[in-house]
Amino acid sequence: DSGVTQTPKHLITATGQRVTLRCSPRSGDLSVYWYQQSLDQGLQFLIQYYNGEERAKGNILERFSAQQFPDLHSELNLSSLELGDSALYFCASSPGLRGADTQYFGPGTRLTVL
Amino acid sequence: AQSVAQPEDQVNVAEGNPLTVKCTYSVSGNPYLFWYVQYPNRGLQFLLKYITGDNLVKGSYGFEAEFNKSQTSFHLKKPSALVSDSALYFCAVRDLGQAGTALIFGKGTTLSVSS
Repeated sequence: DSGVTQTPKHLITATGQRVTLRCSPRSGDLSVYWYQQSLDQGLQFLIQYYNGEERAKGNILERFSAQQFPDLHSELNLSSLELGDSALYFCASSPGLRGADTQYFGPGTRLTVL
Repeated sequence: AQSVAQPEDQVNVAEGNPLTVKCTYSVSGNPYLFWYVQYPNRGLQFLLKYITGDNLVKGSYGFEAEFNKSQTSFHLKKPSALVSDSALYFCAVRDLGQAGTALIFGKGTTLSVSS
């Protein structure tokens, strides 16, 4: 158990809908990352938050947004969903902003868009 | 741009034999390199990392990795494979090209250990 929790485990929805994925980092970790894992794109970085502030953006679509709350949990919002958004979404956390910090991953949320 | 490559989609090895999962990297500057393992329907588990210092890094579950700067490689190794090592393995490098500390992952290598 990495100490990172994600809810829900599975999510099935229809095209055009909006969903929210939730992540709680390990105790004491200030950085939260979101990654998307799909068969065709592999594991791709979406966005990072550090202590409530957006720190870096990766290949995140404009239809997707995220935030980190004062208690450090994070939410990833996916809207106007398309079939191609079906993927496994991982949250990871690390203590801070050091390049050497290890990222610990949650179990993921499997999103299926029908 | 930073990148990491895993040249083999699949590695097959018999139980008890040594295993190697290959990874090469391309970064400007000193790399921070990581190995993760993913079991079916599970998240990624951290195995080991190279930051600086000794080129041979020891990690979890008996795995180790050798950093080779001249060959820009960071191969994962284990002296004696177990059937339970069968999983998907990812090599990753810290993305030093942006303000954050995200990881860039290879496409993964499936390790299959037969009994």
